[in-house]
Amino acid sequence: EIVLTQSPGTLSLSPGERATLSCRASQTISSSDLAWYQQRPGQAPRLLIYGASSRATGIPDRFSGSGSGTGFTLTVSRLEPEDFAVYYCLHSGGSPPGYTFGQGTKLEIK
Amino acid sequence: QVQLVESGGGVVQPGTSLRLSCVTSKFTFSAYAMHWVRQAPGKGLEWVAFISFDGTRKSYADSVKGRFTVSRENSKDTLFLEMNSLRPDDTSVYYCARAGGDYGDYVFDSWGQGTLVTVSS
Repeated sequence: EIVLTQSPGTLSLSPGERATLSCRASQTISSSDLAWYQQRPGQAPRLLIYGASSRATGIPDRFSGSGSGTGFTLTVSRLEPEDFAVYYCLHSGGSPPGYTFGQGTKLEIK
Repeated sequence: QVQLVESGGGVVQPGTSLRLSCVTSKFTFSAYAMHWVRQAPGKGLEWVAFISFDGTRKSYADSVKGRFTVSRENSKDTLFLEMNSLRPDDTSVYYCARAGGDYGDYVFDSWGQGTLVTVSS
């Protein structure tokens, strides 16, 4: 079973700053199987990035994803007030398909 | 705009059963795989169950295997989750999510707003 470990647990930054969130897999996974989600308080998760680096429709270009193998990164280039939320990575795929979320990174206003 | 609306949550006692529904609209339900994902209060996301577009393939998290059953009724654009032998640690918001759209077979691209299940005596 693949385990995803996100770091840091909490990231305190100010609007306008750059955020870098990490997601590390316990074994090599295909980049096509890695996605990032944003969850604001009281809301359902929202797809940001799929295939490790492709933005979903309507997602601002300040969000970017990168990585391969066991290490993946979500970067928010210039934080807007609405970006302060919890972010999850998800591995979904493989054979047979498995589905594992990271434990989440809370991005909070400093 | 894709819509998924969960219902059926509530407060139940340990050992009892509950059936959740997810009514969908604005897309061809019968063409998409579907999932249930849950979130305990103040905690992270946990995948619960998968069902293929035609209902022939299903899979479950170990934490619910043998107790929960996922099903679908394509003629009514509706997904179900039958939950038996409920335990306090099943207390969560339960989300239905669509997969298999333009982003890839396994990407959860649309989510409902969730329904809260509380298991308590």
